[in-house]
Amino acid sequence: EIVLTQSPATLSLSPGQRATLSCRASQSVSSYLAWYQQKRGQAPRLLIYDASNRATGIPGRFSGSGSGTDFTLTISSLEPEDFAVYYCLQRIKWPPTFGQGTMVEIK
Amino acid sequence: EVQLVETGGGLVQPGGSLRLSCVASGLTFSDSWMSWVRQAPGKGLEWVANIKEDGSQKYYGDSVRGRFTSSRDNAKKSVYLHLNSLRAEDTAVYYCVRDSSKYGFDIWGQGTMVTVSS
Repeated sequence: EIVLTQSPATLSLSPGQRATLSCRASQSVSSYLAWYQQKRGQAPRLLIYDASNRATGIPGRFSGSGSGTDFTLTISSLEPEDFAVYYCLQRIKWPPTFGQGTMVEIK
Repeated sequence: EVQLVETGGGLVQPGGSLRLSCVASGLTFSDSWMSWVRQAPGKGLEWVANIKEDGSQKYYGDSVRGRFTSSRDNAKKSVYLHLNSLRAEDTAVYYCVRDSSKYGFDIWGQGTMVTVSS
């Protein structure tokens, strides 16, 4: 199965700062990578699909890039509601696999 | 409003069984693959199983194959996950998820908690 490795495990930043999250795949997933945000006690929410497409209703400060094995989620200017855990997901190769998550916490 | 609502979680002894249900509203259920994803307490997300629109194809993760079974009833806009031979490591929140060909896992239920303990 494809292993997704996210880094860093924890990102400590202040509101207004830029967040850059990484997801690396153990083999190519082309552009079939998604990003999710999960707040405590809530279900994950789709942010980005196909590496760079924002899902419906997702603010423009969220952007995704990458292809093959290296992907990045960027939050251009952190808002208070953006502090959460972020997961990447690949579903082009069975079984679908998630990264272990990156927690974005308030510094 | 597009919504998935799971029910059926609870406390069960090791070796026991449980049936989770998920009812959909606001989406064309019969056109959708559906998946189950679980999350153990304090841990990450793990895909568990999925089922094709008409129920003719079903796939399972290695950790649950042979113990869990998925099914669906399109007339009731419902998908089910039958959990058998439960183990402590199956303790998790179980999410019902729409598996869109275009968007991937795009709609999630609120989850239902399954606790396996004696």
